[in-house]
Amino acid sequence: EVQLVESGGGLVQPGGSLRLSCAASGFTFSSYEMNWVRQAPGKGLEWVSYISSSGSTIYYADSVKGRFTISRDNAKNSLYLQMNSLRAEDTAVYYCAREWVGATNDYWGQGTLVTVSS
Amino acid sequence: QSALTQPASVSGSPGQSITISCTGTSSDVGGYNYVSWYQQHPGKAPKLMIYDVSKRPSGVSNRFSGSKSGNTASLTISGLQAEDEADYYCSSYTSSSTFRVFGGGTKLTVL
Repeated sequence: EVQLVESGGGLVQPGGSLRLSCAASGFTFSSYEMNWVRQAPGKGLEWVSYISSSGSTIYYADSVKGRFTISRDNAKNSLYLQMNSLRAEDTAVYYCAREWVGATNDYWGQGTLVTVSS
Repeated sequence: QSALTQPASVSGSPGQSITISCTGTSSDVGGYNYVSWYQQHPGKAPKLMIYDVSKRPSGVSNRFSGSKSGNTASLTISGLQAEDEADYYCSSYTSSSTFRVFGGGTKLTVL
């Protein structure tokens, strides 16, 4: 069974940093591209970042470019999101999602809540 | 403001059919057959319902169908059931720098 489990969320002050992790199991992690998608409280989904299966190709949403860094460790079946210079508007549930055919996300984790507040 | 435009809400009675639209541009919905639809119940993760405009993943009811015309994609749910009440989001690949775009979401109410 495919499982994606996020961790690392919490309360952080504006300007602070946080590192999210996503532990993958039930599939060959190194063969799949991955994404981070977030959802602010009461709002819609927002794509955040993409990483290819090898980690050689990376994309970011304009809203996080220069502040967030996506990475992966295929040996540990893990995906990461390093978030720096956090702002109040980064407050959201962050989901990791597996990339499938046709720019689709077929499996999602349960999400981890990041709250940026003083 | 989301890149793809969806109605904020739709409603229907059990047994009826409803359609949710998703309007983009030639850089996303209109230019590629890479439109997906997700269902999200409160407090839950999104669930993939339709991919590649009109394909259903294994396990998704055939009451759900997708289509596209020009820059607008549509999700149709037939034979509405109470369990279909949820938020629905469309998504598309985009050739712009944003790589992937979502619609603002549509709240479906089953009356």
